Amino acid sequence: QKEVEQDPGPLSVPEGAIVSLNCTYSNSAFQYFMWYRQYSRKGPELLMYTYSSGNKEDGRFTAQVDKSSKYISLFIRDSQPSDSATYLCAIPSGSARQLTFGSGTQLTVLP
Amino acid sequence: GAVVSQHPSRVICKSGTSVKIECRSLDFQATTMFWYRQFPKQSLMLMATSNEGSKATYEQGVEKDKFLINHASLTLSTLTVTSAHPEDSSFYICSARDFGQGSGNEQFFGPGTRLTVL
Repeated sequence: QKEVEQDPGPLSVPEGAIVSLNCTYSNSAFQYFMWYRQYSRKGPELLMYTYSSGNKEDGRFTAQVDKSSKYISLFIRDSQPSDSATYLCAIPSGSARQLTFGSGTQLTVLP
Repeated sequence: GAVVSQHPSRVICKSGTSVKIECRSLDFQATTMFWYRQFPKQSLMLMATSNEGSKATYEQGVEKDKFLINHASLTLSTLTVTSAHPEDSSFYICSARDFGQGSGNEQFFGPGTRLTVL
């Protein structure tokens, strides 16, 4: 079983829709969770990080962690065409806090 | 804050040549940097962890003699692909941890280097 699994997509939604992106993880010891956005041919950009369970909101983005089910989500409200990108969940682990990435979900927001 | 640069952004070389990629943290000091490789439509795969002043730690299956990493200062790490072959063609991305921001676990990524070996 992979440490981090992500719904592969691709996902295509109309502008203004609410988008839900999801990952599951296997190690119950994980405590920090991150979401990155990667535009085509660019490096990933950190969107949000959360610690332990609960929600964290930043503008149109909400990150949610459910440690009991080892499930993390990123919600995008009022999605815009500029949100079209690949979204990656990531979890740090190991002595150097290396990131283990999900496989990424490619999102397209149609105008 | 937390800006990471990479140079060059794109390189095309002949098979058998060596290519050096630089990764710099511009506004913070990074004792730890990471090198990733990404193939088209795939996620990032960690190649190695670069530690300032010491040897890099390579992931299983990554040839340390082929992918030479040097982290000589707190703001610069270099990746040299030696005797490159077409199968080394990929998108190489570096990242750095900024202990002064957030939880200290966050990694900030460079823009990537696209390597094409002919």
